[in-house]
Amino acid sequence: DTGVSQNPRHKITKRGQNVTFRCDPISEHNRLYWYRQTLGQGPEFLTYFQNEAQLEKSRLLSDRFSAERPKGSFSTLEIQRTEQGDSAMYLCASSFVGDTEAFFGQGTRLTVV
Amino acid sequence: AQTVTQSQPEMSVQEAETVTLSCTYDTSESDYYLFWYKQPPSRQMILVIRQEAYKQQNATENRFSVNFQKAAKSFSLKISDSQLGDAAMYFCAYRSYNNNDMRFGAGTRLTVKP
Repeated sequence: DTGVSQNPRHKITKRGQNVTFRCDPISEHNRLYWYRQTLGQGPEFLTYFQNEAQLEKSRLLSDRFSAERPKGSFSTLEIQRTEQGDSAMYLCASSFVGDTEAFFGQGTRLTVV
Repeated sequence: AQTVTQSQPEMSVQEAETVTLSCTYDTSESDYYLFWYKQPPSRQMILVIRQEAYKQQNATENRFSVNFQKAAKSFSLKISDSQLGDAAMYFCAYRSYNNNDMRFGAGTRLTVKP
């Protein structure tokens, strides 16, 4: 297992388009987290899953954002009708239930033009 | 709501010297975890060190150690014998004992001079 994998690494899209990112967590990790990191800031929590259940969502996750983890393995984060303010690095992390440490992927950098 | 403050946007250290990165946090909780994460350029964030709030002893991991002052809500990271590979963004993070929402500071960019 090579760790948390995120695809694509970079995405450039036009304002108003929809984008989808994928995260493959470390095998058998039952918790999966999404964070957003803007330039010069630390990551901000968006949402997390335990297995396939989405247990918590931040107020940052507007109606245009949706995340899924259909089989409790990989997860997708979709942003509809992208806006320039959505430009950021989107980070995924995973862990076992009860573990304090979360392992991060390299992120997907989104640029909305 | 819990907040994490890193007051040093940038720090610089000479190779082999020691540097301390500052972090303060605000919380009304008594049980929580604190972390320092390292984010090298274009690479993923990795955990450097963690501290459980109930432990009085400061955590140490090889060249990395923390100074945890619970009453002052301070959690600084000391890097001894700095190496060129230590150059990165360092983030301080807080996580409540019963919550999975990890709060990060804005980060400190550490430069190591040869």
